[in-house]
Amino acid sequence: QKEVEQNSGPLSVPEGAIASLNCTYSDRVSQSFFWYRQYSGKSPELIMSIYSNGDKEDGRFTAQLNKASQYVSLLIRDSQPSDSATYLCAVNSRGGYNKLIFGAGTRLAVHP
Amino acid sequence: SAVISQKPSRDICQRGTSLTIQCQVDSQVTMMFWYRQQPGQSLTLIATANQGSEATYESGFVIDKFPISRPNLTFSTLTVSNMSPEDSSIYLCSVEDPGQGAVDGYTFGSGTRLTVV
Repeated sequence: QKEVEQNSGPLSVPEGAIASLNCTYSDRVSQSFFWYRQYSGKSPELIMSIYSNGDKEDGRFTAQLNKASQYVSLLIRDSQPSDSATYLCAVNSRGGYNKLIFGAGTRLAVHP
Repeated sequence: SAVISQKPSRDICQRGTSLTIQCQVDSQVTMMFWYRQQPGQSLTLIATANQGSEATYESGFVIDKFPISRPNLTFSTLTVSNMSPEDSSIYLCSVEDPGQGAVDGYTFGSGTRLTVV
């Protein structure tokens, strides 16, 4: 079982719709969860972090965390073509020091 | 948030040679992380570099192939040794970045796109 799993996509949504990206993780004691956006040919850019169960909102983005289900998601409201990118879920892994384990990423395509 | 300067941004190298990638951070950080992103893939952690001690390598990565230096709290290098075409990837450094705003996490350098021919 992979440590962090995401559907690879592509996820295609029309402009203005809500895009829903999902991620599951295997390490039950993970404490920190991150969503990164990566445009083609660019390095990952942090868009959301979440540490507690529930929802966390920042502008058009909402991260949701359910530690009991080992599940984290990202909702993008009012999707724009500029949101088209690969979204990487990352989990802070235990092991004596902090390190991030990444999922394979979900490619999102927002079409006009 | 931290600003990382990574270089070179890209290089084309002959097989059997070595390339050293540098990352300079504008603030002191305890840990620096080196990742590899193979074409069309996600990021895989190579090693964690802590100043004053040997780097800690992840499974599948060894020091002879990817030696790392961490001479101070703002700088690190990763060398890709005895390169083969399979080493063609993007290599990224990263630091944990508490930041001062509402979002913290890990910041990445701009990456080094390596092609081995």
